[in-house]
Amino acid sequence: EPEVTQTPSHQVTQMGQEVILRCVPISNHLYFYWYRQILGQKVEFLVSFYNNEISEKSEIFDDQFSVERPDGSNFTLKIRSTKLEDSAMYFCASRALAGRYNEQFFGPGTRLTVL
Amino acid sequence: SQQGEEDPQALSIQEGENATMNCSYKTSINNLQWYRQNSGRGLVHLILIRSNEREKHSGRLRVTLDTSKKSSSLLITASRAADTASYFCATVGAAGGGADGLTFGKGTHLIIQP
Repeated sequence: EPEVTQTPSHQVTQMGQEVILRCVPISNHLYFYWYRQILGQKVEFLVSFYNNEISEKSEIFDDQFSVERPDGSNFTLKIRSTKLEDSAMYFCASRALAGRYNEQFFGPGTRLTVL
Repeated sequence: SQQGEEDPQALSIQEGENATMNCSYKTSINNLQWYRQNSGRGLVHLILIRSNEREKHSGRLRVTLDTSKKSSSLLITASRAADTASYFCATVGAAGGGADGLTFGKGTHLIIQP
């Protein structure tokens, strides 16, 4: 069964460093998302991406964040200068079909630890 | 405002019993979805109910939606130890266009005692 994959599973970085989190969505999916979950808190929407552009972003997704689909298979989230409060689990998700009555498939997540 | 608040926050029941979790939300929705998350793992989609639906079944799962009360419930019948996980409701807003980011609640942590 096709699934969303994410690498790395765990990333440790120093405050102020740039990190890139990588996701490979399910191959025929067209809509891509990033969410984060700070330990013990709810999952929060960051950004959605369709047709090579951002379609929606939350207040969390400030200028320190960017997304890219560099090669037609990977979908990346870049944090330009990490802060301690960026430590969280980051989930990628993808969706196949147009229309909003369709489920999003989530990857296993990348745990980001900022020291 | 908080969207998608589940209760209870934690629920412990005996294997074989039914588990009911509730979710309330504040803004108009297009649909509401329930997800399961095993400890430290990704989110698994369980069921989606549209705003014009009142009840939906999938295997041992039954979801209800009351848009007048802005609430939903998830019932798991004949629970099993493998059902131990956190359960989240997530809503998609009624606004049009490409806005379909999910808004999650804080979740209910369900423990099934063998």
